[in-house]
Amino acid sequence: DSGVTQTPKHLITATGQRVTLRCSPRSGDLSVYWYQQSLDQGLQFLIQYYNGEERAKGNILERFSAQQFPDLHSELNLSSLELGDSALYFCASSGGELIDTQYFGPGTRLTVL
Amino acid sequence: GQNIDQPTEMTATEGAIVQINCTYQTSGFNGLFWYQQHAGEAPTFLSYNVLDGLEEKGRFSSFLSRSKGYSYLLLKELQMKDSASYLCAVKYAGNNRKLIWGLGTSLAVNP
Repeated sequence: DSGVTQTPKHLITATGQRVTLRCSPRSGDLSVYWYQQSLDQGLQFLIQYYNGEERAKGNILERFSAQQFPDLHSELNLSSLELGDSALYFCASSGGELIDTQYFGPGTRLTVL
Repeated sequence: GQNIDQPTEMTATEGAIVQINCTYQTSGFNGLFWYQQHAGEAPTFLSYNVLDGLEEKGRFSSFLSRSKGYSYLLLKELQMKDSASYLCAVKYAGNNRKLIWGLGTSLAVNP
C-alpha cells in the first residue's frame, strides 16, 4: 500500500459524459501527478500540482482539467468523453515540488461505452 | 529528443537471473528510476540511481553508467511473481517537473 488513495476504482460511462476522478496523496506529500495509461501503452503524464498550484503540463487534452484543493487532495475532470478515453488513470504523489520518488495510487479504470 | 529505450518483452526461467536494459539521452541527465508494474495495477518504486555504479536491494539491483546513457535492472533468483512490466523513467535537468518514461519491458517468468 503506497498510501495514495484513488476513487472510484472502476467507472463505466457513455460517450459525451463527464466524470471526476479523485486522489488523496500520501500524508505529507505536496505534489500530485496524474497519468493516463491505455491498453498496451506507456504511462502518459497529464499534469502536476504542487501545494494547490499547477506546476507542469504534459499531454493533457483541453477536455480534461484538474485541480488540487487546500487539503491537498486532487480531482481530474474528464468531459465530452470519447471511446478513446477508456484507460487506467493513475495519481501519484511525492514530497517535493521538483521530482523525487513518486508513489502511485491503485488507479481508476475508466470505460467509455 | 529525450527517448527512453527498453526491450519490449523478455522471457526467463524461474530461479534464473535476468537483466533488463534501459538507454536514454545523456544531455541534462539528472537521475533514473525503475518501477515494477503488474498487469492492471499501479507502478511500484524499485530503485533510484543518480551516480554511476550498482545499487543492490535484495534480489533486485540497478546499475547506472551516466557517460554511456545506460542503466540496467538485474533480477536474481527469479520467482513467478516477478512476471510484470518494468518501467525505466529519467529525470532531466531543466525539465525537473516531469519524468520521461519508457514504454516498459514485459517480463514473463516461466516455471
